[in-house]
Amino acid sequence: GAVVSQHPSWVICKSGTSVKIECRSLDFQATTMFWYRQFPKQSLMLMATSNEGSKATYEQGVEKDKFLINHASLTLSTLTVTSAHPEDSSFYICSLNGGGVDHEQYFGPGTRLTVT
Amino acid sequence: GQNIDQPTEMTATEGAIVQINCTYQTSGFNGLFWYQQHAGEAPTFLSYNVLDGLEEKGRFSSFLSRSKGYSYLLLKELQMKDSASYLCACLDSNYQLIWGAGTKLIIKP
Repeated sequence: GAVVSQHPSWVICKSGTSVKIECRSLDFQATTMFWYRQFPKQSLMLMATSNEGSKATYEQGVEKDKFLINHASLTLSTLTVTSAHPEDSSFYICSLNGGGVDHEQYFGPGTRLTVT
Repeated sequence: GQNIDQPTEMTATEGAIVQINCTYQTSGFNGLFWYQQHAGEAPTFLSYNVLDGLEEKGRFSSFLSRSKGYSYLLLKELQMKDSASYLCACLDSNYQLIWGAGTKLIIKP
């Protein structure tokens, strides 16, 4: 299956600063990647679908100007949390479809963001 | 609307069997997934069902009934490392994943 990495795995930042999270597909060319957010004891919430070479598709209620997504190549998508606030503290996970008949999604290891 | 229901938490004993149920209502259906997620980690794939019936994979089995909008994950010979959250997710008609809130499984010695 596809191998997906994320960087950083853990980040602490001050309120008002911006944080960039990278999602890399190490062995699979992904035209589409997905960004999820997960708060403690809650399920995954899809934030946006990242499309290589075009604009991301955001889910309802997700501010596109706050969560900037760039998918410049088939192996890299980035999520930038701009002007982060404590309520943005969460576990951010990216994933991609492996392209198989079972539509399995391969997840990155996640990035734990804490905004102080 | 689209909805997936599964119990919030379950407790079982090491060596025993546990069944985690999931019911769903989605706009179209292109399959159902079960994922395992340990605390602080990303989900890992367990199973995918698109046809009715039971799929067995080692200690884990997954069942689907499309007419009832129902699935279950069966875990046998429970081990302490099986303590995790188990997420049920459906692919809707647009091939978008709809996630359940997850079932936290606690294994006791």
